[in-house]
Amino acid sequence: SQTIHQWPATLVQPVGSPLSLECTVEGTSNPNLYWYRQAAGRGLQLLFYSVGIGQISSEVPQNLSASRPQDRQFILSSKKLLLSDSGFYLCAWSGGGSGANYGYTFGSGTRLTVV
Amino acid sequence: KQEVTQIPAALSVPEGENLVLNCSFTDSAIYNLQWFRQDPGKGLTSLLLIQSSQREQTSGRLNASLDKSSGRSTLYIAASQPGDSATYLCAVKGGSSASKIIFGSGTRLSIRP
Repeated sequence: SQTIHQWPATLVQPVGSPLSLECTVEGTSNPNLYWYRQAAGRGLQLLFYSVGIGQISSEVPQNLSASRPQDRQFILSSKKLLLSDSGFYLCAWSGGGSGANYGYTFGSGTRLTVV
Repeated sequence: KQEVTQIPAALSVPEGENLVLNCSFTDSAIYNLQWFRQDPGKGLTSLLLIQSSQREQTSGRLNASLDKSSGRSTLYIAASQPGDSATYLCAVKGGSSASKIIFGSGTRLSIRP
């Protein structure tokens, strides 16, 4: 069966520090991978998605970047965190292919607080 | 551009009642629609996935329907329990966004004992 792992669960970082959040998927190959952010009391905002290794689509201009160094690994990074980067970050995967009728499966999330 | 709307934003009902949550979307050319549940501070748990060719899906006390032509879906919860209290989100895949899903803003449900 497929599983998705996301870590760390909680992170407190000072303004200006770097960030690296990791997400890995097991039990499938060539998944579509996604990073979402949920600010306090707000909806889910798609940040990045990837349909293959090295292929990253950015949805919102921001202080963050994403990379996919391996088929089932998706990394969210920042060189210098801002206060506005605080939020709940969720990784998700879906079956590969733009026309595939797969649903999404989400990780357990990372609560990031920038202080 | 696909837009997803959920009404109501919040709902409070006494335990045991049947209830309906609504979701509407603007672009009917979807691949599927998915209902999720989110508990406070937690990730999203998938409840039901309806393909564009399907009219409804059922899981236990939950039933989700899809009317693609009118751009609507409903999530029916039978015999509600306090443990059903959570935020319920619908998300659609397809239309102008073939590789990604677009979320509604959610309905915050509270079941009173």
